[in-house]
Amino acid sequence: NAGVMQNPRHLVRRRGQEARLRCSPMKGHSHVYWYRQLPEEGLKFMVYLQKENIIDESGMPKERFSAEFPKEGPSILRIQQVVRGDSAAYFCASSFDRGGNQPQHFGDGTRLSIL
Amino acid sequence: DAKTTQPPSMDCAEGRAANLPCNHSTISGNEYVYWYRQIHSQGPQYIIHGLKNNETNEMASLIITEDRKSSTLILPHATLRDTAVYYCIVRVRSDSWGKFQFGAGTQVVVTP
Repeated sequence: NAGVMQNPRHLVRRRGQEARLRCSPMKGHSHVYWYRQLPEEGLKFMVYLQKENIIDESGMPKERFSAEFPKEGPSILRIQQVVRGDSAAYFCASSFDRGGNQPQHFGDGTRLSIL
Repeated sequence: DAKTTQPPSMDCAEGRAANLPCNHSTISGNEYVYWYRQIHSQGPQYIIHGLKNNETNEMASLIITEDRKSSTLILPHATLRDTAVYYCIVRVRSDSWGKFQFGAGTQVVVTP
């Protein structure tokens, strides 16, 4: 999965703390997508961002979750007041454009564990 | 939204071709068929995609039927490192962009 960098790879938080997940897209890509994968399940779309704008957040919980992709720097997925059910692998993907003919390229994810 | 149907699992002998089927009978004319795979503990890896014509790259070949209702991903010479979950996805169109919807995929196990 060359190019899309996610950090940290593993993150442990206690219930009630905040989790910040970072994603640097591939060079030249300005479209970023976040997915969540619960244990033994498929990936679920959360949010799609294009530099400084949220395009589609239909898969993201309305409370406690937020995402940003600033003009400079990585995209951030922020989870406030984490709960046990937030334990999952969070994957970021990027693409050059949004069209149907553009594949998304994924990072290796952040594994979030809530104690 | 077009959905896909894949067998839950399949085995393949090392060195042989692996043919992974996918049904997408409700696909629309402007929807692409994408294939990804996910090796344990890694992120999904893009393999190939196509619209109508068959496609080939260094990883695999994609055969799409003429009516576009099904497709087959072919790994020409499977290796142990090809053991993974393979996802067939129809790129749905939602207003101005196409969302990926991952299903359960096919668990492929390549055996020596």
